[in-house]
Order: sequence, then structure tokens, then C-alpha cells
Amino acid sequence: KQEVTQIPAALSVPEGENLVLNCSFTDSAIYNLQWFRQDPGKGLTSLLLIQSSQREQTSGRLNASLDKSSGRSTLYIAASQPGDSATYLCAVRDSGNTGKLIFGQGTTLQVKP
Amino acid sequence: DAGVTQSPTHLIKTRGQQVTLRCSPKSGHDTVSWYQQALGQGPQFIFQYYEEEERQRGNFPDRFSGHQYPNYSSELNVNALLLGDSALYLCASSFSGTGNEKLFFGSGTQLSVL
Repeated sequence: KQEVTQIPAALSVPEGENLVLNCSFTDSAIYNLQWFRQDPGKGLTSLLLIQSSQREQTSGRLNASLDKSSGRSTLYIAASQPGDSATYLCAVRDSGNTGKLIFGQGTTLQVKP
Repeated sequence: DAGVTQSPTHLIKTRGQQVTLRCSPKSGHDTVSWYQQALGQGPQFIFQYYEEEERQRGNFPDRFSGHQYPNYSSELNVNALLLGDSALYLCASSFSGTGNEKLFFGSGTQLSVL
């Protein structure tokens, strides 16, 4: 059974700092991995999707990496801003075209001005 | 291009009642999935609908049921509500044409059971 873990559960950093969020999964046979952002009481916004054959994806100040063999992904946020404050969730899609995502519990990020 | 829309945004029910939540997928998408997110937790997969049939189901009791219409919109029904059903219910849509398509989520329906 696939399990997804995110560490740390919460993180507080000063504005401008570079930071890394971690995600680990127990079964390396994944179809893809997706990072989401969630603001309080709101839905999920997709940030980056990494296919199982890819090693990383970049979008603006965000960079996500994937190491299937070790069951790990990281989300790197450069030059953090107060507007980056939110909960970040990673989710893996198991092999197969079913679309079921298995989520971690998320990392709640606070960026202080 | 409208994204995934869900209604209502908030709902308050009492134990034992029944509730219906609605979802319209993003334009061009034909697959709808439903997730339950308890406070402080990651979303949990409830089920997925494709071609008007339930294609896959998570670990949820039969009190949770759904439907997909020919226009791809979907409903989530929960019977005999329990206090523990209080959560944010998220709908996600995707296109079945490729296996690696991103899922797009709606803003959710916040259900409170009193």
C-alpha cells in the first residue's frame, strides 16, 4: 500500500530565504508526482507535475525533483515571499491510468516579512 | 475557460441527514474524482467516475455514492451523515486521453455536520 509522508509538518522562515520541502513515498512504482498549494479553506492549485521518467520540473521560483529509486521528491522555493505562505501538498499517482492520487499530509509554510 | 466548479461552497447539516454535492469539470475533461479532506490532513480519495460509471473507489462506506451525467458533471451523495463526515469535499477533473494529465481541483464544498 502506497504511503506518502511530508516533512516537516510546519515551517516558518524569514522573507528572502531559500527553502526545501520534502516528500517521501513507499512504493517507487509511481505514474507521476504532483505538488499542490492550498490556501486555508480553499481548493488545491497544481504547481508542478513530474512524470515518472523525469528528474525535475521548474516553474518560476519553484523547482521540484524526483528520485523514484529512493522514493523521494523535493520542492525548492527560491527567494521566499510572504505570498508563498500556504500549505504545500505532494501527491503520487500509482501506475495505471486511473487518476487516483495519494496525498501526504502537507507542509504548512509561513514566510515572515 | 471555466475551471472546475463546485456547489454549494458551504453546507451545514445535522446527523442522519443526506447531502448532495455537485461538480462541473473543466472544459474538455471527461473524468471526475472526489476527495475528502479532514482538517489538517491531506485529501483522501473517495471515488472516480468515467463514462458515467464508478471506475475506482477508495476506502469509504456505501453511504458515499455518486453519479456522473452525460455532460460529465458529477454528484457526490452522502447518506446518514455522521459527525465525522465534516470535511472539505474536493472535486477534481482530468482528461482520460493521456495517463499523465494534471488533475485540476475545484475550490471545494465545506460540509459541517452538527
